[in-house]
Amino acid sequence: DIVMTQTPLLAVTPGEPASISCRSSRRLLVSVDGNTYLDWYLQKPGQSPQLLIYTVAFRASGVPDRFTGSGSGTDFTLNISRVEPEDIGVYYCMQRVAFPSRTFGQGTKLEIK
Amino acid sequence: EVQLVESGGGLVQPGGSLRLSCAASPFTFNAYWMSWVRQAPGKGLEWVANIKYDGSEEYYADSVKGRFTISRDNGKNSLYLEMNSLRVEDTAVYYCARDTGYYDILSGLYWGQGTLVTVS
Repeated sequence: DIVMTQTPLLAVTPGEPASISCRSSRRLLVSVDGNTYLDWYLQKPGQSPQLLIYTVAFRASGVPDRFTGSGSGTDFTLNISRVEPEDIGVYYCMQRVAFPSRTFGQGTKLEIK
Repeated sequence: EVQLVESGGGLVQPGGSLRLSCAASPFTFNAYWMSWVRQAPGKGLEWVANIKYDGSEEYYADSVKGRFTISRDNGKNSLYLEMNSLRVEDTAVYYCARDTGYYDILSGLYWGQGTLVTVS
């Protein structure tokens, strides 16, 4: 089984950048189609998760451009260029390479300093 | 915009059964895999099961295999989760999610608002 590992907590100052990491226990590249199936989700307090970034770097519809995804192989990063107060919540990475199962990281809680 | 509305959650005793439903709109339901994902109180996300576009394939997490059954009715744009032999550890919010699409293999999951299942 693929294990996804995230740092549990990150505290940032509004207006400052933030970087959230996710590491996979195996490569998430599918050689047949060349895609890497790693997504990022944000669960704001009291809400259901929402898709932010899919397939490493594609921003979902309506997601502000201050969110960018990057990475390859087993190491991935979600960057927020300037953190806003509404960005607080828990960020989850999720792999879709071991289709059809899905595995989530344990989540990174983003707090405002 | 993807809309997924779950229903059917509630309080059930250990060993009991419950059936969850998810009404989907306004996308082409029969062109997407569909998933159930759950979240125990104060915990992270756990994938539970998913089902292929036409219902011909189903897959389950080991924690629910043999007890839960996922199904869909493409004519009604609906997804279901039949839960039997429920355990205290099945207590969670259960989310319905639109998964990989036949013409949309890159996209991630879109989620409903969830329904709470309490086994006690």
